[in-house]
Amino acid sequence: EAQVTQNPRYLITVTGKKLTVTCSQNMNHEYMSWYRQDPGLGLRQIYYSMNVEVTDKGDVPEGYKVSRKEKRNFPLILESPSPNQTSLYFCASSLEGYYNEQFFGPGTRLTVL
Amino acid sequence: KQEVTQIPAALSVPEGENLVLNCSFTDSAIYNLQWFRQDPGKGLTSLLLIQSSQREQTSGRLNASLDKSSGRSTLYIAASQPGDSATYLCAVDSQYSGGGADGLTFGKGTHLIIQP
Repeated sequence: EAQVTQNPRYLITVTGKKLTVTCSQNMNHEYMSWYRQDPGLGLRQIYYSMNVEVTDKGDVPEGYKVSRKEKRNFPLILESPSPNQTSLYFCASSLEGYYNEQFFGPGTRLTVL
Repeated sequence: KQEVTQIPAALSVPEGENLVLNCSFTDSAIYNLQWFRQDPGKGLTSLLLIQSSQREQTSGRLNASLDKSSGRSTLYIAASQPGDSATYLCAVDSQYSGGGADGLTFGKGTHLIIQP
């Protein structure tokens, strides 16, 4: 089944404890991205990747890192999480980024205490 | 910078009614517009994708239209059912996202309730 998977789905952590949210797609998509969704603010892009080893900042990149060493994986790294990073996170992928339908993962609900 | 607005923010209608959800965007230089459905606590499910060169797309009881020049899109749901209850999100893929950002710009959604 073609899909985008994220792990973990739910995570509660404490301020300053490094964490990684994994994202993987099995559709051979070149383009992958991360969004966060907050009440009243909607979905905002954090980082995106046009292809392997090519990443760039979205609208709200502060406090996040990403890497794209393989085509199928695009992990989101929070080196020192803070409470304002409590949010619902979505990973998405598409064939080439432009013109193409974007597929979203199921979401990761992160709480930083 | 692209801005996407969805009206209404919430809508409650009896089962069986036809309804229209509205989406407007400020910059008409877009690659495409996509409508999503989001159920509570769940991810986004793509409903329809309209390329910038297209006027509408249909899938079952759903029909989405695009008027790029006026910066508007509508999602028409025919013969609504309780299972259609969800939040509907409109997103545009802009040619010039601004600020070095790429990707979709989302509206804040329309929360739809279909009363049995």
